[in-house]
Amino acid sequence: SAVISQKPSRDICQRGTSLTIQCQVDSQVTMMFWYRQQPGQSLTLIATANQGSEATYESGFVIDKFPISRPNLTFSTLTVSNMSPEDSSIYLCSVVSYNEQFFGPGTRLTVL
Amino acid sequence: GESVGLHLPTLSVQEGDNSIINCAYSNSASDYFIWYKQESGKGPQFIIDIRSNMDKRQGQRVTVLLNKTVKHLSLQIAATQPGDSAVYFCAENRRTSYGKLTFGQGTILTVHP
Repeated sequence: SAVISQKPSRDICQRGTSLTIQCQVDSQVTMMFWYRQQPGQSLTLIATANQGSEATYESGFVIDKFPISRPNLTFSTLTVSNMSPEDSSIYLCSVVSYNEQFFGPGTRLTVL
Repeated sequence: GESVGLHLPTLSVQEGDNSIINCAYSNSASDYFIWYKQESGKGPQFIIDIRSNMDKRQGQRVTVLLNKTVKHLSLQIAATQPGDSAVYFCAENRRTSYGKLTFGQGTILTVHP
């Protein structure tokens, strides 16, 4: 199985600021994704992090708000830009490895 | 748009009972289904999956049933234990969009000792 770590595990931020979340995988993976889980809700796919090219965003998510980097096959970052309280959520990194999809522990973000 | 939803948002059972968690999906193009368990403060953990060419799959203490006619998915947990208490999500995927999961709303399972 793939072991995923995320940093930070949680943060409290002021509105208007930006936070970059890191995702590190213990093995090389082709597919890496970022999901959001709003309070008390299910998970929603934000984007696919593509290695060496721009991320592919789902409907309702844009690059200016959620820029993503994927410099190699084991690492990705998600930035939540110009934050508002509505961005308070858990952000989760996910990878596909050996035909199984794994999730990181999540980053719990609170925006005041 | 397509959605995956659950019939029951909460389920309380006694330790040792069998639990059944249900899920309905609306996209007939879905061909891969997964059940995840999410404990407080953790990311979703894979439980069991099933492909659309099957109607039943068994794991350790868990069974997933798929009824494509009515677009219904269920997770059965045998001899439920307090450690099974968590939120359970069904998710669907299509072969053409591997890794891009659509999640159901989740069911909170509480197991009483």
